[in-house]
Amino acid sequence: EAGVAQSPRYKIIEKRQSVAFWCNPISGHATLYWYQQILGQGPKLLIQFQNNGVVDDSQLPKDRFSAERLKGVDSTLKIQPAKLEDSAVYLCASSLGGQVSYEQYFGPGTRLTVT
Amino acid sequence: QKEVEQNSGPLSVPEGAIASLNCTYSDRGSQSFFWYRQYSGKSPELIMFIYSNGDKEDGRFTAQLNKASQYVSLLIRDSQPSDSATYLCAVIKGTSYGKLTFGQGTILTVHP
Repeated sequence: EAGVAQSPRYKIIEKRQSVAFWCNPISGHATLYWYQQILGQGPKLLIQFQNNGVVDDSQLPKDRFSAERLKGVDSTLKIQPAKLEDSAVYLCASSLGGQVSYEQYFGPGTRLTVT
Repeated sequence: QKEVEQNSGPLSVPEGAIASLNCTYSDRGSQSFFWYRQYSGKSPELIMFIYSNGDKEDGRFTAQLNKASQYVSLLIRDSQPSDSATYLCAVIKGTSYGKLTFGQGTILTVHP
């Protein structure tokens, strides 16, 4: 079974630039999550999708971050404009979701450096 | 008070010893508890989950849950150098639709 795919793996941008990350979840997983992991900390949930609807985006900085999940499969996370404090690893995870299973499986992540 | 708090590390144990990792959580409505292992530069990997009070064993790993004390732990028996990693405790609160809240992680080093 293929795992969660993410791209790019690394990205370096200057502050005020924009960037986008892509995620393809495990086939059949209805729930998709984007996390931000700053060095030395645990991952923090940014946004959770159930199919193509948003379940939780309470910790998403909506003035600069946006995310979408078209057709309930792939998802993109965008940052515009980037700030220095956005330097982190952005992790995508997926799960079967609902009452079936809460176990989440993570992709390899995208390491973002904002200079 | 942090929602999920793990014992401060780093934790260093000799090869073959038992490593004990601890985690407390603040929300009494929490229902599901997970342990992830994260090697340096890699993404978190699920190693155990536990939903009911008591112990759950899987190979060298044992997860222990005490909801009354709001405490969950992970024991690693016969620790190996390959177990050296950051261990993340994560909790799903009762009404959070699967949203994981992570602790800050405990760095474990197993030395030969």
